[in-house]
Amino acid sequence: GESVGLHLPTLSVQEGDNSIINCAYSNSASDYFIWYKQESGKGPQFIIDIRSNMDKRQGQRVTVLLNKTVKHLSLQIAATQPGDSAVYFCAEPPRAGGYNKLIFGAGTRLAVHP
Amino acid sequence: GAGVSQSPSNKVTEKGKDVELRCDPISGHTALYWYRQSLGQGLEFLIYFQGNSAPDKSGLPSDRFSAERTGGSVSTLTIQRTQQEDSAVYLCASRGARAPSDTQYFGPGTRLTVL
Repeated sequence: GESVGLHLPTLSVQEGDNSIINCAYSNSASDYFIWYKQESGKGPQFIIDIRSNMDKRQGQRVTVLLNKTVKHLSLQIAATQPGDSAVYFCAEPPRAGGYNKLIFGAGTRLAVHP
Repeated sequence: GAGVSQSPSNKVTEKGKDVELRCDPISGHTALYWYRQSLGQGLEFLIYFQGNSAPDKSGLPSDRFSAERTGGSVSTLTIQRTQQEDSAVYLCASRGARAPSDTQYFGPGTRLTVL
């Protein structure tokens, strides 16, 4: 079946270090992938997305890498700050062109220590 | 501009009672979604509305769950005869019409506790 999962359920980093959050996906026909950040008590917040025809996309302090060969997605956060502490989810549509819902991974909790 | 809003933010109810959860999507967004998030878990898709099309109800866990979207805007998720396993955060999201990767914008959620 279609699924999106994460390698590491919890990631602890020191403030200022770079963070890498990984995600594996199973639907090779997905058009795009999205990373969401969810802070405690809040709804998920869009961070960055990447089209399936791209290998890399950069945002402000974040970079998403897509390796379609091994169906792997990663989110890199540069100079991690305490405000980055949250649960991060990767998500994909269930099929090519299927925008009716997103399949979310279980999430990785990022804890930033001073 | 205003984001997705949900009400109430918290709801405590007794087992067997009915509850209604409300979602106000971003103005002009044609698509609206409901998800459920149990403690420490990922998001579970419940239902999706797109314009005037028939909703995608494939994620509703039982016939106790239903949702409506009136006038293409506000949506209400109703849970009848609530059970303790219904306790979760119910999240609403809306999406505009720009293709191909128009993201979903989430509300803050309603935390439902069934005693």
